[in-house]
Amino acid sequence: QSLLTQPPSVSAAPGQKVTISCSGSSSNIGSNYVSWYQQFPGTAPKLLIYDNDKRPSGIPDRFSGSKSGTSGTLGITGLQTGDEADYYCGTWDSRLSGWVFGGGTKLTVL
Amino acid sequence: EVQLLDSGGGLVQPGGSLRLSCAASGFTFTSYAISWVRQVPGRGLEWASSVSGNGRSTYYADSVKGRFTISRDNSRNMVYLQMDNLRAEDTAIYYCAKVRQWQRDFDFWGQGSLVTVSS
Repeated sequence: QSLLTQPPSVSAAPGQKVTISCSGSSSNIGSNYVSWYQQFPGTAPKLLIYDNDKRPSGIPDRFSGSKSGTSGTLGITGLQTGDEADYYCGTWDSRLSGWVFGGGTKLTVL
Repeated sequence: EVQLLDSGGGLVQPGGSLRLSCAASGFTFTSYAISWVRQVPGRGLEWASSVSGNGRSTYYADSVKGRFTISRDNSRNMVYLQMDNLRAEDTAIYYCAKVRQWQRDFDFWGQGSLVTVSS
């Protein structure tokens, strides 16, 4: 059981917006930065958002992140079929002294 | 261009050992911690271990502590994960990943190396 809780799946139509939530606790999200990763089948994860709301070079501004209290949120606007992937949130857990991840959310673009 | 190339996976019997390797290039190797993150096929990500840039500090998840040993050779830009007393539940794809900033996130990942523990 993951310490960070994500919905197993979300879906939306092309061009629409979707949000993916990531719920944690005071020892992880509540006191540390949230990051988000995109993973296509058979490939390694790719950093999408770091430090709650920052995008690495090359990540389109259709992807955004936010954090409030013990929860983080990934937003994707202007959905494209190429966005279909698994999305994971991650953060440091100060009690465990290690990284923790959410269980992942499968995005389907209908 | 940052590159991480992990290797060394394979089939091993329960109780056996295996050593994974991660060859890094394209960045100042000694300035960054490197981690191993594993993923059971079809399941989520699990952090396993990290080593500091100078190699003096190591960190382990409780699930691997006492069985896995992480190390690095800064003269060769290599990181290793020695896995002993392997269990069926260690079966996973193992990714080496560059830590962008300590306690923050992983900005580059290797392609993954499959470890299968089975008799």
